[in-house]
Amino acid sequence: DAKTTQPPSMDCAEGRAANLPCNHSTISGNEYVYWYRQIHSQGPQYIIHGLKNNETNEMASLIITEDRKSSTLILPHATLRDTAVYYCIVRVPNAGGTSYGKLTFGQGTILTVHP
Amino acid sequence: EAQVTQNPRYLITVTGKKLTVTCSQNMNHEYMSWYRQDPGLGLRQIYYSMNVEVTDKGDVPEGYKVSRKEKRNFPLILESPSPNQTSLYFCASSLSRVGGLAVYEQYFGPGTRLTVT
Repeated sequence: DAKTTQPPSMDCAEGRAANLPCNHSTISGNEYVYWYRQIHSQGPQYIIHGLKNNETNEMASLIITEDRKSSTLILPHATLRDTAVYYCIVRVPNAGGTSYGKLTFGQGTILTVHP
Repeated sequence: EAQVTQNPRYLITVTGKKLTVTCSQNMNHEYMSWYRQDPGLGLRQIYYSMNVEVTDKGDVPEGYKVSRKEKRNFPLILESPSPNQTSLYFCASSLSRVGGLAVYEQYFGPGTRLTVT
């Protein structure tokens, strides 16, 4: 799986957009980008995923660059409840063997939303 | 409400006393998995199950057992707990379909904080 790099921490003002970058320069053609977040000691929460087109759901938007070497998760109107660690993961959907379904979180980005 | 439940949420026990952490999901998911999370080590997979009666080891299976007799339940068993199994444990579930995209959209339980003294 492609390695991902994220900034260790970011700040955002409440009500503003939070833009969280992720670098995955070694991503291969069939790897998807998934984003999760984990609020302190709670179970991780799936946010969104994409392959090459921009994606949007009720939680966030995902912008993937044309060369797919990086992506940005956008929380359009951050709230205090969005304070969490955000993880960017790259996975091959039909990976077989012991990797099937396995999520491996790196260090992620600690997003702090302040009033 | 779609959810994954774990019990107990907190447990303090002594070395060698067998324990079971239960996990149940109400989404008819095929795939279920157990992870442990430790400071500085991130999330590590213990065991996973692709469907009823199909289980396999993850990255750190030593000292743990699992079973999948019913689709909704995936208990984690520690036959003889030791202090190095003190950790935060998460159960997760997801759909598992041809193409495999959905398997990575996992629902996690609230976690079980286990302390072994």
